Amino acid sequence: NAGVTQTPKFQVLKTGQSMTLQCAQDMNHEYMSWYRQDPGMGLRLIHYSVGAGITDQGEVPNGYNVSRSTTEDFPLRLLSAAPSQTSVYFCASSYSGTSGGLYQETQYFGPGTRLLVL
Amino acid sequence: AQKITQTQPGMFVQEKEAVTLDCTYDTSDPSYGLFWYKQPSSGEMIFLIYQGSYDQQNATEGRYSLNFQKARKSANLVISASQLGDSAMYFCAMREVEAGNQFYFGTGTSLTVIP
Repeated sequence: NAGVTQTPKFQVLKTGQSMTLQCAQDMNHEYMSWYRQDPGMGLRLIHYSVGAGITDQGEVPNGYNVSRSTTEDFPLRLLSAAPSQTSVYFCASSYSGTSGGLYQETQYFGPGTRLLVL
Repeated sequence: AQKITQTQPGMFVQEKEAVTLDCTYDTSDPSYGLFWYKQPSSGEMIFLIYQGSYDQQNATEGRYSLNFQKARKSANLVISASQLGDSAMYFCAMREVEAGNQFYFGTGTSLTVIP
């Protein structure tokens, strides 16, 4: 069980370049999400998906696209990179269900991608 | 208004003592979930504990417990018997269910455990 994997771990882009951050999970979770983490600002939700074929915008979606063709994969595309997109990006997948009569939710994060846009 | 507020940028605690990290939230959604995460200096995000808005009892997971006071909209994390490995950033988060399953995170509290 690999959990949530992200590639690449580090990336340097020039302004205007595009790229795709990959995210995959092998836990069959329906809910997946992308966050960016900037110093002093916590994590902010970019896009999320509640299942294959369904995506929605989070708090800071501008400049990013997502798609969810399978349950396992949830790539994040930067359309035209800007220095303001320099950040650490985390992908996460979430489980919700009932165990022993108790409703429980858990969110698993990938290791993150450090992106520098020059 | 901030959805999640963590008012303690930094906290210190003596090893083996208990510590409370504060979190208040703002929502009009009747159905929501509250989460705490730990982020060590290595950078990964580790899920610690979850509390649902309809749960009557406070959630507990080992040395972690969540002091849920619904009327006050607070969800404080209590770490008992602190260990040196507990030194990390701690983030409180909320998921609003009816408002579209959005997650909101606080700005975090840096905890340092002193030997």
